[in-house]
Amino acid sequence: EPEVTQTPSHQVTQMGQEVILRCVPISNHLYFYWYRQILGQKVEFLVSFYNNEISEKSEIFDDQFSVERPDGSNFTLKIRSTKLEDSAMYFCASSDGLETQYFGPGTRLLVL
Amino acid sequence: SQQGEEDPQALSIQEGENATMNCSYKTSINNLQWYRQNSGRGLVHLILIRSNEREKHSGRLRVTLDTSKKSSSLLITASRAADTASYFCATDGRYGGFKTIFGAGTRLFVKA
Repeated sequence: EPEVTQTPSHQVTQMGQEVILRCVPISNHLYFYWYRQILGQKVEFLVSFYNNEISEKSEIFDDQFSVERPDGSNFTLKIRSTKLEDSAMYFCASSDGLETQYFGPGTRLLVL
Repeated sequence: SQQGEEDPQALSIQEGENATMNCSYKTSINNLQWYRQNSGRGLVHLILIRSNEREKHSGRLRVTLDTSKKSSSLLITASRAADTASYFCATDGRYGGFKTIFGAGTRLFVKA
């Protein structure tokens, strides 16, 4: 069964460093998403992406964040200058329409 | 804001018993979904129920939706130790599809 994959599974970085989180969505899906979950809290929407542009973003998704689909398979989330509060699990998701989103296993980011 | 809120926050039962979790939300929806998350892991989609549906079954799962009360319930019958996880309800975005709003989740512990 096709699945969304994410790399790396864990990332530790120093405050102020840039990180790039990678996702490979399900191949025939057209809608892509990033969510984050701070430890012990709820899953929060960050951004959705369709037709090579951002469809919607939350207030969390400020100028430090950017997304890109650099080729036909990858979908990336970049955090330009990480802060301590960016420490969280980041989930990528994809869908073929406007209903079920399929989530990846997540990348656990720790900012020191 | 449109938000799913689950109750109870935590539930502990014996293997073989049924587990019922409830979710309430605030605004109109197109669909409501339930997800499971094992500790520190990714999100697994369990079931989607559309706003024009009242009840849906999938294996040992039964979901109900009452749009007049803006509430949903997830029933897991004949629970197993492997059902131990956090369960989240999630609603679609106000204009459909571009984001999923998650509640805080119910932590279910099934004792063997």
